[in-house]
Amino acid sequence: QSALTQPASVSGSPGQSVTISCAGASNNIGTYSLVSWYQQYPGKAPKLIIFGSNQRPSGVSTRFSGSKSGNTASLTISGLQSEDEADYYCCSYAERSTFVFGGGTKVTVL
Amino acid sequence: QVHLQESGPGLVKPSETLSLTCNVSRGFINRNSHYGGWIRQPPGKGLEWIGSISFTGSPYHNPSLRSRVTLLVDESKNQFSLKLTSVTAADTGFYYCARHSGEPGMAPYFFDSWGQGALVTVSS
Repeated sequence: QSALTQPASVSGSPGQSVTISCAGASNNIGTYSLVSWYQQYPGKAPKLIIFGSNQRPSGVSTRFSGSKSGNTASLTISGLQSEDEADYYCCSYAERSTFVFGGGTKVTVL
Repeated sequence: QVHLQESGPGLVKPSETLSLTCNVSRGFINRNSHYGGWIRQPPGKGLEWIGSISFTGSPYHNPSLRSRVTLLVDESKNQFSLKLTSVTAADTGFYYCARHSGEPGMAPYFFDSWGQGALVTVSS
């Protein structure tokens, strides 16, 4: 069960948009649109920010959006703010009732 | 408000068994809609799904850990638990329990509420 592939880091200036990719395979992202995204601050537990096709839990900013194309899912943060500086993880269903996480991406606000 | 809370020893000796319990606020998990999930994170590294268990008792495991993992649920105590046998230093890290949820009519596929995490160190 291989981890999903994310870039180690992305950065952007306040107000810009950044996109984090999450590359999977045909037996996870490619077949199942069951992807979720999590935000994690240092020393804190992860927090769900996107699930499914592009759904946000109550209270999550509309600046976060998700998409999928083929075997790759993406998270876009629009109007980047200093509070968005954190680690972000994707997760996908991966057949036979298993789940796999990406390696994580550190977002830096310049 | 904390709805899930991990508890268990913070130090485990190599080759022994790591045991953690997740205490869930009453009413926070619906046995027909949610599973209890376990995710771990070595210090400074990424997240790894360990497994999830339905509240009817069906467990689902990460294939790489299946042989060492036991997942149990005790509805009467609003708890679910994790046992990981034959631990090594590579098992050191933060262990999170989480509510594993899904959209209406679908099996759970996202973790929408997490415990604060328990740091477990494997060392003699």
